[in-house]
Amino acid sequence: EPEVTQTPSHQVTQMGQEVILRCVPISNHLYFYWYRQILGQKVEFLVSFYNNEISEKSEIFDDQFSVERPDGSNFTLKIRSTKLEDSAMYFCASSEAMGDTEAFFGQGTRLTVV
Amino acid sequence: GEDVEQSLFLSVREGDSSVINCTYTDSSSTYLYWYKQEPGAGLQLLTYIFSNMDMKQDQRLTVLLNKKDKHLSLRIADTQTGDSAIYFCAETRGYQKVTFGTGTKLQVIP
Repeated sequence: EPEVTQTPSHQVTQMGQEVILRCVPISNHLYFYWYRQILGQKVEFLVSFYNNEISEKSEIFDDQFSVERPDGSNFTLKIRSTKLEDSAMYFCASSEAMGDTEAFFGQGTRLTVV
Repeated sequence: GEDVEQSLFLSVREGDSSVINCTYTDSSSTYLYWYKQEPGAGLQLLTYIFSNMDMKQDQRLTVLLNKKDKHLSLRIADTQTGDSAIYFCAETRGYQKVTFGTGTKLQVIP
């Protein structure tokens, strides 16, 4: 069964460092997303990406964040100059079409900023 | 903006039915979902319902939607210990953003 894969599963970084979280969406999917879940809190939408550009972003997704699809298979989330409050589980998702019934989620990358 | 609310915790005995409730505010919601998250794991889509339906049954799962009251529920029949997890209600207008609830932690007591 096709799945969204994320690497690494856990990343520890020092405050102020840059991190790149990687995702491989399902191969025929066209829409890609990043969500974040701070421990014990809601899953929050960060950004959606289609046709090589951001199509929607939340207020959380400020200049510290960027996304990229560097090749035909990967979708990355870069966090520049990480802060303690960036510690969270980051989920990548993909869907075949807009308004599709299901966005498939990856297993998540747990980011710990120390 | 959109908001989705759930109770935080539910405890049931193995073999009983579980009912997890959710309310949402966006009357334009077109799809409503239930996701399951086991400890340390990702989000697994359990089931979904279109906003023009009021009930959907899928094996042990029954979803009820009251669109007038913007209330969604998930019933799990014959709850098993493997059902222990956090259950997230979520909605979308069919655009790109899915709005999640706070999650309900289901504890199944053997």
